[in-house]
Amino acid sequence: EVQLVESGGGLVKPGESLTLSCAASGFNFNKAWMNWVRQAPGEGVEWLGRIKTKRDLETVDYAASVEGRFVMSRDDSIQTVYLQMNSLKIEDTGVYYCVWSSTWDLRYYLDQWGQGTLVTVSS
Amino acid sequence: EILLTQSPATLSLSPGERATLSCRASQSVSSSLGWYQQKPGQAPRLLIYDASNRAAGIPARFSGSGSGTDFTLTISSLEPEDSAVYFCQQCSNWLSITFGQGTRLEIK
Repeated sequence: EVQLVESGGGLVKPGESLTLSCAASGFNFNKAWMNWVRQAPGEGVEWLGRIKTKRDLETVDYAASVEGRFVMSRDDSIQTVYLQMNSLKIEDTGVYYCVWSSTWDLRYYLDQWGQGTLVTVSS
Repeated sequence: EILLTQSPATLSLSPGERATLSCRASQSVSSSLGWYQQKPGQAPRLLIYDASNRAAGIPARFSGSGSGTDFTLTISSLEPEDSAVYFCQQCSNWLSITFGQGTRLEIK
């Protein structure tokens, strides 16, 4: 069974940093492109970026809205992907999801989602 | 950035009726469009990819059509559990995946 478990969310002040983790199981993580997606309260869905496999040099594609502030990384030895968020803004508040694109045909779609972790940025 | 505009914003229909949801792209995305369903308190679920392909386990009453800039998600005969928000997503620009703002479907 595929499991994606996000952790690390919480309440932070504007300008602070926070790192989210996503522990994966039930699939071959080493071959998985992993995405981060967020959803502001009552709002739509925003793709933040993807990190590719070691074979693909762990290339990261970021959304323009977070490039330069957010950093994605992975540790295949513990099947975990990370999202380091710096210089947080109030508008970064939302639920953050870790998402796996499970097949090559679906590599640009988002078909296996974690349950999400809530990040609240407030003074 | 490719903008996706969904209509209507809200749709209220009865069980058994047919639902037609629209998604329009600001420029051609070819067939690189997907549809997601999101119920309260849950993550989105992929329904349709590449405009018309149903994802694994998705009931046949869900179908997608369109190409270029105009796309449609059709639910042929509504069930009460279809009450949800539906989002479209483009990946024509795979370096900048974007979503529509959503259509809320209410089953009366």
